[in-house]
Amino acid sequence: EAQVTQNPRYLITVTGKKLTVTCSQNMNHEYMSWYRQDPGLGLRQIYYSMNVEVTDKGDVPEGYKVSRKEKRNFPLILESPSPNQTSLYFCASRLGTGVYEQYFGPGTRLTVT
Amino acid sequence: AQSVAQPEDQVNVAEGNPLTVKCTYSVSGNPYLFWYVQYPNRGLQFLLKYITGDNLVKGSYGFEAEFNKSQTSFHLKKPSALVSDSALYFCAVRSGGDYKLSFGAGTTVTVRA
Repeated sequence: EAQVTQNPRYLITVTGKKLTVTCSQNMNHEYMSWYRQDPGLGLRQIYYSMNVEVTDKGDVPEGYKVSRKEKRNFPLILESPSPNQTSLYFCASRLGTGVYEQYFGPGTRLTVT
Repeated sequence: AQSVAQPEDQVNVAEGNPLTVKCTYSVSGNPYLFWYVQYPNRGLQFLLKYITGDNLVKGSYGFEAEFNKSQTSFHLKKPSALVSDSALYFCAVRSGGDYKLSFGAGTTVTVRA
């Protein structure tokens, strides 16, 4: 089944404790992206990647890191999480140039206390 | 900078009545416009897109949207709403030459039986 998977789905952590949210897609998509969803703000793009080893900042990159060492994986890293990073996070992917439909993962609900 | 406005936080309609969800956008260059739907506790699902061509585009589940360049709008419509259409709807825009995708804040649609 074609899908985007994220792990963990739920995470409660404390301020300053490094964490990684994994994202993997099995559709050989070139383009992957991370978003956070907050009430009243919709989805805001954190980082995106056009292909392996090619990443760029979205609208809200502060406090986040990403890497794209393999085509299928695009982990989101929070080096020192803070309470304002409490949010619902989505990973998405799409095939590439000329194909615009994005496939979204199921989401990761992160709480930082 | 690009942006999307969804002026209504909530839309309530009776089953069988027409449904309209409004979206206006701001972008430099040619707009690529999208609608996504999010059901409770799920990731976003693609509904339809406008890239070029006919101003009226048809998508999944009987939805359609009309691109109006002069009014910079891309309203989502369904002639006869179903209870199962109750969900959170997002409009999104990107510039043709850009990889960034900007989402609106979302509109909650409730269809009553």
